[in-house]
Amino acid sequence: EAGVAQSPRYKIIEKRQSVAFWCNPISGHATLYWYQQILGQGPKLLIQFQNNGVVDDSQLPKDRFSAERLKGVDSTLKIQPAKLEDSAVYLCASSLGAGGYEQYFGPGTRLTVT
Amino acid sequence: DQQVKQNSPSLSVQEGRISILNCDYTNSMFDYFLWYKKYPAEGPTFLISISSIKDKNEDGRFTVFLNKSAKHLSLHIVPSQPGDSAVYFCAADNNAGNMLTFGGGTRLMVKP
Repeated sequence: EAGVAQSPRYKIIEKRQSVAFWCNPISGHATLYWYQQILGQGPKLLIQFQNNGVVDDSQLPKDRFSAERLKGVDSTLKIQPAKLEDSAVYLCASSLGAGGYEQYFGPGTRLTVT
Repeated sequence: DQQVKQNSPSLSVQEGRISILNCDYTNSMFDYFLWYKKYPAEGPTFLISISSIKDKNEDGRFTVFLNKSAKHLSLHIVPSQPGDSAVYFCAADNNAGNMLTFGGGTRLMVKP
């Protein structure tokens, strides 16, 4: 079974530039999550999708971050414009459903904003 | 406000001995707890979990203990192996939709 795929693996941009990350969840997984992991901290949930609908985006900085999950499969997370404090690893995870299901994580995208 | 805390950023243990990783939480609504293991350049992988209706769950060398009154859980690894060297995260869920709150992680180093 293929795992959660993410691209790119690494990205370096200057502040005020835009960046997008892509995630392909495990086939058949209805729930998809985006996490931000700042160095030395645990992952923090940004947004949760159930199929192509948003379940929770309370911790997503909506003035600069956006995410979509078209057709309930792949998802993209965008930052526009980026700030220095956005430097982090962005992790995508998926699960069969919400509530009590194990989350499977992708390898993450390491973003450096200079 | 950190609702899940891992107060030890690192732990060093000799191979074959017991590793004990600790986690504290503040939100009494949490009722499901998980441990994840993370190697460098990889995403976290699920290790073991426990429901709040239990106080112990065991899976091979890994045992998780939950003390609800103290809002404390711990992960025991016996015996520890060099391949266990990784960062361990505890996470908590209020079962309202699988939205996990993670602790800051503990880096475990198992020396041969």
